[in-house]
Amino acid sequence: KAGVTQTPRYLIKTRGQQVTLSCSPISGHRSVSWYQQTPGQGLQFLFEYFSETQRNKGNFPGRFSGRQFSNSRSEMNVSTLELGDSALYLCASSLGSAAGGTTDTQYFGPGTRLTVL
Amino acid sequence: AQSVAQPEDQVNVAEGNPLTVKCTYSVSGNPYLFWYVQYPNRGLQFLLKYITGDNLVKGSYGFEAEFNKSQTSFHLKKPSALVSDSALYFCAVRDGWAGYSTLTFGKGTMLLVSP
Repeated sequence: KAGVTQTPRYLIKTRGQQVTLSCSPISGHRSVSWYQQTPGQGLQFLFEYFSETQRNKGNFPGRFSGRQFSNSRSEMNVSTLELGDSALYLCASSLGSAAGGTTDTQYFGPGTRLTVL
Repeated sequence: AQSVAQPEDQVNVAEGNPLTVKCTYSVSGNPYLFWYVQYPNRGLQFLLKYITGDNLVKGSYGFEAEFNKSQTSFHLKKPSALVSDSALYFCAVRDGWAGYSTLTFGKGTMLLVSP
């Protein structure tokens, strides 16, 4: 089975621009979660989607948004980029269930390295 | 609220020696615990998880972890370290009693295995 894929792998943007990152989950997985990883803050949860619905949201400003499509692929968008948005953005997929799927294992993609200049 | 503590930023061990990477957690309900490893410029790779049952969990690449409810710990262990085990290790917890709980990660522990 193919793993989680994320595109693009690397991005360089300037302050004020916006960016869209894409994630394709493992086939059959319906839950997608996004994380931001920085050296100072570690891994921080952004949001989780299941069946095109946002199920959970982390403590990030409204500039960070996401969505999930009917084929479970997901995108996240960051508008009005700031220098502090430079990070590795990781997507993870899991089987998911309507009940919550708390025992599920999340499988991670390679990440998108975003640099904001 | 749930949280994970990895008290050591870095662990150094010689190849062939046993290794332990420490993790303690805090959750309101049932803890579901996970270990992941991250190599440079890569995503996280799943190593093992504890949901219920035997307190000693065996995972990938010869790693195992011991769940200790009284000490709220879930330490990662390996009997004989390899240089290729050098990487960043993350412990994570989920509250099994919360319907849609998220996965909370520790800050990570860098494991350096010297030849």
